[in-house]
Amino acid sequence: NAGVTQTPKFQVLKTGQSMTLQCAQDMNHEYMSWYRQDPGMGLRLIHYSVGAGITDQGEVPNGYNVSRSTTEDFPLRLLSAAPSQTSVYFCASSQQGINTEAFFGQGTRLTVV
Amino acid sequence: KQEVTQIPAALSVPEGENLVLNCSFTDSAIYNLQWFRQDPGKGLTSLLLIQSSQREQTSGRLNASLDKSSGRSTLYIAASQPGDSATYLCAVRRLRANAGNMLTFGGGTRLMVKP
Repeated sequence: NAGVTQTPKFQVLKTGQSMTLQCAQDMNHEYMSWYRQDPGMGLRLIHYSVGAGITDQGEVPNGYNVSRSTTEDFPLRLLSAAPSQTSVYFCASSQQGINTEAFFGQGTRLTVV
Repeated sequence: KQEVTQIPAALSVPEGENLVLNCSFTDSAIYNLQWFRQDPGKGLTSLLLIQSSQREQTSGRLNASLDKSSGRSTLYIAASQPGDSATYLCAVRRLRANAGNMLTFGGGTRLMVKP
């Protein structure tokens, strides 16, 4: 009954450090995506994937990289963390198709100092 | 560019009241609209998904309507309870080929139901 699992739940980074936020889903969903949630800005799409080996940029992709080597996993990499990347990050997945529900993970709260 | 707006930003009601949350979007070229609930410090839980061809969807005390031509959706909560206190988000899925489930979110309505 895991659904979408994100790790870690909390992370503090120093400016310039790199890290990977993990996202895994056990529902065999083709579609996966990453959002960030900021006060006053709502949730914004960073990157998305429509299947293993296929990724594309969303609304705010700068400073982030993704890859999708398996259906289950969709990690988000911060190459050189900046204070502007302080946010709550959510991973989502859904079945292929045009009217499928999106399921979200519990989020990763990242602070860059 | 699709923009999604939710009004009001915050709402406080006494227990037992029926209430309506509003969501508006600027581009009617959507596949569907989804309503979510978010508890503090938690992820998003899907409540209802309305396809663009549908007018409404119901789940228990929740009823969501969609008027695509006017760019509006409402979430109706009947007989509100303190456990309904949360932030409610609406999101539209844009019409775009091979774009996965790309959602554009509103800013949310923070609901407090007082006992």
